[in-house]
Amino acid sequence: DQQVKQNSPSLSVQEGRISILNCDYTNSMFDYFLWYKKYPAEGPTFLISISSIKDKNEDGRFTVFLNKSAKHLSLHIVPSQPGDSAVYFCAASAGANSKLTFGKGITLSVRP
Amino acid sequence: ETGVTQTPRHLVMGMTNKKSLKCEQHLGHNAMYWYKQSAKKPLELMFVYSLEERVENNSVPSRFSPECPNSSHLFLHLHTLQPEDSALYLCASSQDTLTTDTQYFGPGTRLTVL
Repeated sequence: DQQVKQNSPSLSVQEGRISILNCDYTNSMFDYFLWYKKYPAEGPTFLISISSIKDKNEDGRFTVFLNKSAKHLSLHIVPSQPGDSAVYFCAASAGANSKLTFGKGITLSVRP
Repeated sequence: ETGVTQTPRHLVMGMTNKKSLKCEQHLGHNAMYWYKQSAKKPLELMFVYSLEERVENNSVPSRFSPECPNSSHLFLHLHTLQPEDSALYLCASSQDTLTTDTQYFGPGTRLTVL
């Protein structure tokens, strides 16, 4: 049973617009959440993270929002750029030395 | 060379072959990981090493045998694999095994078992 779900396999947005990537989780013990980005033929690279004590974390064009009551987090990219086209993985962990549990990923395409 | 490197990038093997995947990190990290990514599935953690000691074995079949001779190198020895083992195998490293330690991934080895 998947504990981290990225239900939409793909998303297409126009350059300059906002991209919103969603992630849901089922394990209430998860307390740390991350987003990774992956280009073809490359390994995933860390993008942004958020601890469960926060509900928002911002880094440049990237903002992650966490709604603990809904067990939902989202990644906002504003403005979207063609170079953002990649697969985005949501991941979560429970505890300081816990392994990461990943979602299946969402393929984002940003149209010029 | 910097970061995390993996060789080979692509591997095709028969079910009776024995092969090894290699991972090397140049980041001075203490922890290394093997992940498996099958088509349309999430990344699955296979093994975790911390300071050359295996600290996690995620119920992986014995036909996958990891080896960590030092903190910079990690191997995954493969023998008598099955076609369903075909996947992308990713290596990662991090400073230590704390969840907040960012994991840096290599480009992966695309494995096909015939």
